Amino acid sequence: NAGVTQTPKFRVLKTGQSMTLLCAQDMNHEYMYWYRQDPGMGLRLIHYSVGEGTTAKGEVPDGYNVSRLKKQNFLLGLESAAPSQTSVYFCASSYDPVISNQPQHFGDGTRLSIL
Amino acid sequence: AQKITQTQPGMFVQEKEAVTLDCTYDTSDPSYGLFWYKQPSSGEMIFLIYQGSYDQQNATEGRYSLNFQKARKSANLVISASQLGDSAMYFCAMRAVLNTGNQFYFGTGTSLTVIP
Repeated sequence: NAGVTQTPKFRVLKTGQSMTLLCAQDMNHEYMYWYRQDPGMGLRLIHYSVGEGTTAKGEVPDGYNVSRLKKQNFLLGLESAAPSQTSVYFCASSYDPVISNQPQHFGDGTRLSIL
Repeated sequence: AQKITQTQPGMFVQEKEAVTLDCTYDTSDPSYGLFWYKQPSSGEMIFLIYQGSYDQQNATEGRYSLNFQKARKSANLVISASQLGDSAMYFCAMRAVLNTGNQFYFGTGTSLTVIP
């Protein structure tokens, strides 16, 4: 009964380093999302995917890249980390919102600090 | 543009009392869904309740109910008989199908503290 699993849970990076956050879901959801959560700003959408092999930009995509090579996985990459990317990152998945009123299911988050 | 507004950064409620958390939304899409999530201090996002724009009745889930006023574009969460475990951040979210590319939009959240 895993749901949405994010790896890693915590990470500290130095400015300029790169890293990839992994999101895996076992609910056969078509849609997957990456958000960042900052104090006082709620959740802001970085990128999302409507199916395997597809990605789209959200509200705050700059400095991030994503890939969805397999339906169950959605990767978020930081090519050159900046202190402004210090945040808590959440992955979520859902069925197609057009045909389903089901909510998004969230992972437990990744706390990322950029020094 | 789609927008969710939560105007109460912080709220306090006495244990066993009811509390209303406000949420207003803005969309031109005739079909949309409204969601409430709870985020306790441990950080996970927990889905609470859903209201569809065409639903005739207000949604209820246990102690949670959604006061949906479509003409006023509001979707307030009502928690009855508050418990200490209800202390958390609460987020209102909207999904409007036609005009958002199937994205979900979140408000900035309300921090609820239940006082013993």
